[in-house]
Amino acid sequence: GQQLNQSPQSMFIQEGEDVSMNCTSSSIFNTWLWYKQDPGEGPVLLIALYKAGELTSNGRLTAQFGITRKDSFLNISASIPSDVGIYFCAGQLRGSNDYKLSFGAGTTVTVRA
Amino acid sequence: NAGVTQTPKFQVLKTGQSMTLQCAQDMNHEYMSWYRQDPGMGLRLIHYSVGAGITDQGEVPNGYNVSRSTTEDFPLRLLSAAPSQTSVYFCASSYRGGGQPQHFGDGTRLSIL
Repeated sequence: GQQLNQSPQSMFIQEGEDVSMNCTSSSIFNTWLWYKQDPGEGPVLLIALYKAGELTSNGRLTAQFGITRKDSFLNISASIPSDVGIYFCAGQLRGSNDYKLSFGAGTTVTVRA
Repeated sequence: NAGVTQTPKFQVLKTGQSMTLQCAQDMNHEYMSWYRQDPGMGLRLIHYSVGAGITDQGEVPNGYNVSRSTTEDFPLRLLSAAPSQTSVYFCASSYRGGGQPQHFGDGTRLSIL
């Protein structure tokens, strides 16, 4: 499985700010997933995208499935302190029996002092 | 409904020791998988299973064995632990079928001395 290129690697947020992160791949996927991981816990699914061009929201989170099928974007609006954590993108190419996910290295979000 | 349960949460081993990381899910999911997470990297797939009695290798399978005798359980075995296997291990499960989001356990933090 390939590793996806996720950027930025880290970011600082101030409460109330909008933040964005993205994920790119050299190969196409037909499913994009965004997970959040808090310290000491496993990743928790935030948003799943199944169609090129799809824009999906989950509360203050909005994610888009890039039209080329090689990228995806996650936006957090009006950030709050509990948004800190590591955000991972994952791509999946659905095949006859292939459920494997390829993950990005993560974007670490911390609060600006 | 416990979801995906991993035990133990922490473990320290000496080089050459063997051990089994346990994973159980109570959602009747057909698909289960093991990932390792290392600093600065995304999750990498070790082994996966699409159903009881069926297992296959992922991206980084060397040094690990798995079996799937029941739908609920998917243990990961380290036959002879090496320092390079120091990592955080996550088990995940999902319904079978392309695009189904995977649900993760809280991880096992393993140190090999």
